[in-house]
Amino acid sequence: ETGVTQTPRHLVMGMTNKKSLKCEQHLGHNAMYWYKQSAKKPLELMFVYNFKEQTENNSVPSRFSPECPNSSHLFLHLHTLQPEDSALYLCASSQEPDSFSGNTIYFGEGSWLTVV
Amino acid sequence: SQKIEQNSEALNIQEGKTATLTCNYTNYSPAYLQWYRQDPGRGPVFLLLIRENEKEKRKERLKVTFDTTLKQSLFHITASQPADSATYLCALSGYSTLTFGKGTMLLVSP
Repeated sequence: ETGVTQTPRHLVMGMTNKKSLKCEQHLGHNAMYWYKQSAKKPLELMFVYNFKEQTENNSVPSRFSPECPNSSHLFLHLHTLQPEDSALYLCASSQEPDSFSGNTIYFGEGSWLTVV
Repeated sequence: SQKIEQNSEALNIQEGKTATLTCNYTNYSPAYLQWYRQDPGRGPVFLLLIRENEKEKRKERLKVTFDTTLKQSLFHITASQPADSATYLCALSGYSTLTFGKGTMLLVSP
């Protein structure tokens, strides 16, 4: 139990579908993140939220749409994805978003996404 | 641009030996460096953090060194066990959030 819970753990969707990934953190942290992890690639930061405000968007295509209704919940809405979007999507949280303050990042177990 | 390099090939060692993993970086002046462990199909888990003014950090069988002159961190696991088999990621402080390396897979055989 990492304190960061992601659902669903596995998702298969067609390219015309709309689905959402959900994340909840029980650690009282102020920052939440979405990362993408593909085979043989480093973790790619997608979005950062601080006190439910988006502070970073790393040139992510608009077919990925994040939503942060409060500092404990984070969603990633998916629509018209491509097969190359198949990957492990990791939600994470930390006390503060600024890496200079020595934050440790706590990850969820991830959501395996397959786009067919 | 910033670059983090970790050995892409898996490291195979025998149980009881010391495993040493390397993290090299360029075009960085990180304030600190972290190591994470990731098991297959799961999220990374934090192990250790070392700051730029610290040469070495220890936690049980784990030891991390940080050489800002060489721009390198070494991660050691002493008396390794098969349960230590996993992928180990280093992460450096950047301009905003942590930047992760690709990770090195460690395989400890009985």
